[in-house]
Order: sequence, then structure tokens, then C-alpha cells
Amino acid sequence: DQQVKQNSPSLSVQEGRISILNCDYTNSMFDYFLWYKKYPAEGPTFLISISSIKDKNEDGRFTVFLNKSAKHLSLHIVPSQPGDSAVYFCAATDLNNAGNMLTFGGGTRLMVKP
Amino acid sequence: DSGVTQTPKHLITATGQRVTLRCSPRSGDLSVYWYQQSLDQGLQFLIHYYNGEERAKGNILERFSAQQFPDLHSELNLSSLELGDSALYFCASSPGLWSDEQFFGPGTRLTVL
Repeated sequence: DQQVKQNSPSLSVQEGRISILNCDYTNSMFDYFLWYKKYPAEGPTFLISISSIKDKNEDGRFTVFLNKSAKHLSLHIVPSQPGDSAVYFCAATDLNNAGNMLTFGGGTRLMVKP
Repeated sequence: DSGVTQTPKHLITATGQRVTLRCSPRSGDLSVYWYQQSLDQGLQFLIHYYNGEERAKGNILERFSAQQFPDLHSELNLSSLELGDSALYFCASSPGLWSDEQFFGPGTRLTVL
């Protein structure tokens, strides 16, 4: 039972345009959500997070949107750059009960074309 | 470079064998986490240690065990290996009991033949 799903295994975007990566979850107890980025032969690196008390969090070119009623979150990258080409993982946790036990989605491979 | 080191980088072994994966967290980090990334699945949380104590367990098989030592490094022991255990094993660390940023090591690629 996949509690966190990223339904698009890959996404291709032109440099300078917006990249939108989507993530759906089923566990209504999840109250904290994170995005990690992974380059080949490296471990994932933290990108941005959002608490369930917010519906948007922005950090530079990266914005995460949370729609609790739809159990959906998205990561927007604007403008996209070739260096953003990586696999993006969405993750979620129930801070009160599971703390650091992150549940990850399967990842979306983003390719930004110059 | 996250500051988390994992050894070995690659490990090739046979079914039925036992292996030990090692992780050194970032200096000062008290929490260590282990994850498994199989070909057909995303990152699966295995176990979390904080300052030597087990704090959370995910879907970790009984054939797998882990520990965190007084110097805070951690080892993941995998025994009676099966073909399906072939995966990338990541270790991550964070300063305290909770941090939204876990710092991941480069992983150990285990191949079971």
C-alpha cells in the first residue's frame, strides 16, 4: 500500500519554463511534507518542506503547494534550469506519531532541456 | 558532500551470506536513519537511531538488524541474503531527534548473486 505516490515517473521541460512535480498521499495523519532532490550516484538532498498548517511555502525558485482536502502537493520550479535535472522525491510524515519516519514517493525524473 | 560517509560503496555477495554496511554521520549529528531503495520501489525507511537508542522501525525484515555505537557511527547487518535484497542502502543523519532536513550519504549498492 503506497501511502505517497508520484504518478509521473518522468517530466521534460524547456529551460526557463516552469516545472510542476506532483505528489498524492492517502494517509490523513500526515502533517509534514518534504521534497528531496537526487542526482545520480549521490544521496538525496533536502529541498523544501511544508507543514499542514500552511498551503504554500516558497524558497527562491522553489515553491511547494499543499491541498489538504485533495491530499495533494506539488513542487513548482520557476524558472527551470538544466542543473535542476534530477530525480525528485516527495516525502511525508506524521510528526506526532512517526516523527522522523519519512514515507517517500517513487520519485519523478525531471529533465530540463537547454 | 553531505558529510555522511558510507562504506563500502559497492558490495557483491552471494545468496545466504551476511554483510555489514557502515555509516558515519555528520559531525555532531545524533540521529542516524537507514533506507533501502530497490529498483522497483522508492526509498523505504528501515530504522532510526538516536544517540544509541532505536527510535523508530519501518518495514525492516527480521533478517536485518542495526545498531548505533557510542561514537555514533551505525552499522546495518543483513543476513541470509536473498536476490531481492539487492538494492541501494542509504544512511542519513540529522542533529536531533527531529529535523526536516536529513543529510544522506552516497549509499552502498548491494548486489546479491
